[in-house]
Amino acid sequence: DVKVTQSSRYLVKRTGEKVFLECVQDMDHENMFWYRQDPGLGLRLIYFSYDVKMKEKGDIPEGYSVSREKKERFSLILESASTNQTSMYLCASSLYSNEKLFFGSGTQLSVL
Amino acid sequence: GEDVEQSLFLSVREGDSSVINCTYTDSSSTYLYWYKQEPGAGLQLLTYIFSNMDMKQDQRLTVLLNKKDKHLSLRIADTQTGDSAIYFCAENQGNMLTFGGGTRLMVKP
Repeated sequence: DVKVTQSSRYLVKRTGEKVFLECVQDMDHENMFWYRQDPGLGLRLIYFSYDVKMKEKGDIPEGYSVSREKKERFSLILESASTNQTSMYLCASSLYSNEKLFFGSGTQLSVL
Repeated sequence: GEDVEQSLFLSVREGDSSVINCTYTDSSSTYLYWYKQEPGAGLQLLTYIFSNMDMKQDQRLTVLLNKKDKHLSLRIADTQTGDSAIYFCAENQGNMLTFGGGTRLMVKP
């Protein structure tokens, strides 16, 4: 079974802090994704990566950046956290584009 | 991106059938998906249907696809309390999946 692991289940940070959310997958998947989930808004794509060192903006990239230095790891970075970035963040991976996604358990981030 | 729309909430009694509906907009979508999210967990792929099919059945789950109306539904037969979750439909648009807002299914004993 594919395993997608997010390093933290819950995080509490202060406004202005730099925040790193880490995601690791163990199935050699090409594609990795970061979504945020907010009540009533469903999942919104922040960034995705289709190869090492490659990244593409999703629907809501503002205020975020990403890093994919190794195939198995995809990091989401909040350069200066703000309260409107309080959300559930979900990482996912897939072998090919348009293939089904496998999700991590999510990181609930609270920015105070 | 295009919108994928779902109703927010559905409540059923245990043992009844549940039908969760979804409308999508991209007629070129190759696959359409249903994901389930249980409380405190990430999303788990429940089932999917290829766009050239109009029905797929998998045990208690039946997916119906009406391409003309761009309408996708998920029917859960004999709904159990363990089926209480948020259900997301998704379509592929280019290289990305676009998700609906999710339908919260509540199953009353």
